[in-house]
Amino acid sequence: GEDVEQSLFLSVREGDSSVINCTYTDSSSTYLYWYKQEPGAGLQLLTYIFSNMDMKQDQRLTVLLNKKDKHLSLRIADTQTGDSAIYFCAETLYSGAGSYQLTFGKGTKLSVIP
Amino acid sequence: ETGVTQTPRHLVMGMTNKKSLKCEQHLGHNAMYWYKQSAKKPLELMFVYNFKEQTENNSVPSRFSPECPNSSHLFLHLHTLQPEDSALYLCASSRNLQGGEQYFGPGTRLTVT
Repeated sequence: GEDVEQSLFLSVREGDSSVINCTYTDSSSTYLYWYKQEPGAGLQLLTYIFSNMDMKQDQRLTVLLNKKDKHLSLRIADTQTGDSAIYFCAETLYSGAGSYQLTFGKGTKLSVIP
Repeated sequence: ETGVTQTPRHLVMGMTNKKSLKCEQHLGHNAMYWYKQSAKKPLELMFVYNFKEQTENNSVPSRFSPECPNSSHLFLHLHTLQPEDSALYLCASSRNLQGGEQYFGPGTRLTVT
């Protein structure tokens, strides 16, 4: 497909782990990003991974990258109610003249049940 | 004030009105962006500016007119909009055009009646 794809909804219980999955389109994307959007706010950069890495861990967040399958995932350990938000996967695509653009998925709405 | 700010936060306008959205970044970045966020659709890139020069216009209708007087300020002038233009308009900035670390403002929620 030509779009960055994510499932639209995920519901987990507080304290469990959340795993948000994404498939992207361009195998030459150098960086892949996860952004978080809380209600009434703009997007906040959460974490990113360089394409030559398989995994990146940052406190409760773990990013896994499978370049062969163009699959990216974000795992949130010990999910809290404050993690309820929309999570966007984004890839960088070359747009010419040394410039890159972000292409976003539609976002996964994470709901955390107390 | 820090980060990326946008005003107004909410705007209701009729189809014959003219209004402007304002974005200001305090991060010393050189690139600025306008995005449109509609329900159930991916974020749509509208315009890109680098060092005040427009580098991208992603087939945006002429009823949207951007203006970038300097690297810190970006405007989106609106006129004769349609109801389907109702959306959240997000401004973002980045150090340059080579990376994806973009910093977003809180957005302007636009309703066209």
